[in-house]
Amino acid sequence: EAQVTQNPRYLITVTGKKLTVTCSQNMNHEYMSWYRQDPGLGLRQIYYSMNVEVTDKGDVPEGYKVSRKEKRNFPLILESPSPNQTSLYFCASSLLTGMGHTGELFFGEGSRLTVL
Amino acid sequence: AQSVSQHNHHVILSEAASLELGCNYSYGGTVNLFWYVQYPGQHLQLLLKYFSGDPLVKGIKGFEAEFIKSKFSFNLRKPSVQWSDTAEYFCAVAPRQAGTALIFGKGTTLSVSS
Repeated sequence: EAQVTQNPRYLITVTGKKLTVTCSQNMNHEYMSWYRQDPGLGLRQIYYSMNVEVTDKGDVPEGYKVSRKEKRNFPLILESPSPNQTSLYFCASSLLTGMGHTGELFFGEGSRLTVL
Repeated sequence: AQSVSQHNHHVILSEAASLELGCNYSYGGTVNLFWYVQYPGQHLQLLLKYFSGDPLVKGIKGFEAEFIKSKFSFNLRKPSVQWSDTAEYFCAVAPRQAGTALIFGKGTTLSVSS
């Protein structure tokens, strides 16, 4: 079954304690991306990756890191989480064409993070 | 800067009412257009998409959307909503050039009462 898998689905942590949210897709998609969803603000892109070792900042990259060492995995790293990073996080992936990605994203189930 | 505007933050309808959700984007080039739906407690799912051709596209569950290039709009419609359509709806735009991101609107919450 084609899917994007995120872990953990729920996490409560404390300020400053490093954490990683994993994301894995089994569709051989080149493009992967992380979004955060907050009430009234919709979906905002944190980072995206066009392929292995190719990553770029989205709209709200501060406080986050990513890596793309393998095509299927795109972990999101919070080196020193703060309460304003409390949010619902989604990983997504899609195919790329010669004109960029199709925009047809496949989303993971979401990871709800609370930073105390 | 590229942006996507959804006109309504929250829409409340009774079952069988007609629905139209507005979406406008600001980008001068060619784009791919999408509507995504997020049911309560679930992740986003693709509702319908437009890449080229007939500007009236049909999606799942009776939804359709019309691309009006001159108005930079991609409005979502459904003739008769059901209680199960209660969800958040996101319009999204993908500029059709390499290396660009998918831009989402802020979403419209639809509440349908039975």
